[in-house]
Parts: sequence; C-alpha cells; structure tokens
Amino acid sequence: GENVEQHPSTLSVQEGDSAVIKCTYSDSASNYFPWYKQELGKRPQLIIDIRSNVGEKKDQRIAVTLNKTAKHFSLHITETQPEDSAVYFCAASSDSGGGADGLTFGKGTHLIIQP
Amino acid sequence: DTGVSQDPRHKITKRGQNVTFRCDPISEHNRLYWYRQTLGQGPEFLTYFQNEAQLEKSRLLSDRFSAERPKGSFSTLEIQRTEQGDSAMYLCASSFEVSQPQHFGDGTRLSIL
Repeated sequence: GENVEQHPSTLSVQEGDSAVIKCTYSDSASNYFPWYKQELGKRPQLIIDIRSNVGEKKDQRIAVTLNKTAKHFSLHITETQPEDSAVYFCAASSDSGGGADGLTFGKGTHLIIQP
Repeated sequence: DTGVSQDPRHKITKRGQNVTFRCDPISEHNRLYWYRQTLGQGPEFLTYFQNEAQLEKSRLLSDRFSAERPKGSFSTLEIQRTEQGDSAMYLCASSFEVSQPQHFGDGTRLSIL
C-alpha cells in the first residue's frame, strides 16, 4: 500500500518569513495530493490540492509543487501570519480503479509562527 | 452547504460495550469515508462508500467494526466489544466523486474507560 513520509515534524518560522513542508510517497499510481490544515481540536480543513497532471498550483500565499519522477510534493507558505500556526498534513490517493481512493496521510508538521 | 456533521461529538464508554457513530455527508456527495485519528498522528483510512456500496476496507478495520450507508445517505460506524486501543477521534469525510476534495466533519471522540 501507499506510504507517505512528511518532514519536518515541527517547523518554527518568524512571522513574515516563508515555510516549506515536504512529503514523499511510495505508490507510483497515486495521482491526487491534498494538503490539510488542522487547528487544535478542530476538523482537518483542505487548503490546497494538486493532481499528477500538474506540476505546480498556487492560491494566494499558498503553493504546492509536485515532482512525479522523484515522488515528492511540497507545500510553500509565503508571508506567514500568526493564524497560519497549526498542524499541516499532506496526503495521497489513487483513482486507478484499484479501490485505493482513501487518503494516506503523513504524520503532520506542527508549524509555529513566531511573532 | 451545511458541511459534514457527526454525532455524537464525544462518547465515553466502558471496555466491552458497543458504540455507534453517525455521519451525515454534504448532501450532493456520493462518496463517504471513515478515518481514525490518534493524538499526534494523521488520520488513518478505515473504509469508504460510493453511494450505498462499501468499496474498500482497510486492514485496520477488524471484524469488530462495521459500517453501513443505507440508501446512500447518512452512514453509521459501529464498534462492538470496545477495547482500550479503540480510543481515538473518528472522522467522517465526503466528496462529490473520486479524487475530488474530501471535506471532513468535526469527528466523534471515543474514550474507553
């Protein structure tokens, strides 16, 4: 089955600086890669996603890049703000027809924005 | 769009008891997923439905776990003979179709005494 590794586990950056979180996946059939933000005690919220036919996607201060050859994808947050502090999860899934539509998540990155 | 709703929010029960959770997906979503999340970990996939059909079950879903989605609307997840290791947050998500964004509910936190 799919295995998703996520790094770092904790990331502390100064407010206004950029943050980068990296994930690797093992199953070459995976073709959908969402990122979720989870604040303490709350539901995971989708912040951006990318499909394997796209190399990069941007939404305001958030961007995701995908390298299918290397099987890794990254989340980039620019001009970080205090409200960006949360745990971020990457995930992967496949719609190849093998029934592997459930998301496989990484272990999460605790992003801390220092004022 | 009222979002995915789950009930109850918290459940405390004694070891060996049976528990049932309910999930109401976003109304036009055909796919419904169940995940389990323990402290400090990402959600782990348990099972999912396309309308009323249960299409995949994770090896995490032992025979004590059963899920249903009658008529392709709400879903229930039942755990029989609960064990200490079942303590976790049980999350439900729904999506319109395959590889479409999955939207999560607030979850049901299960505590086994």
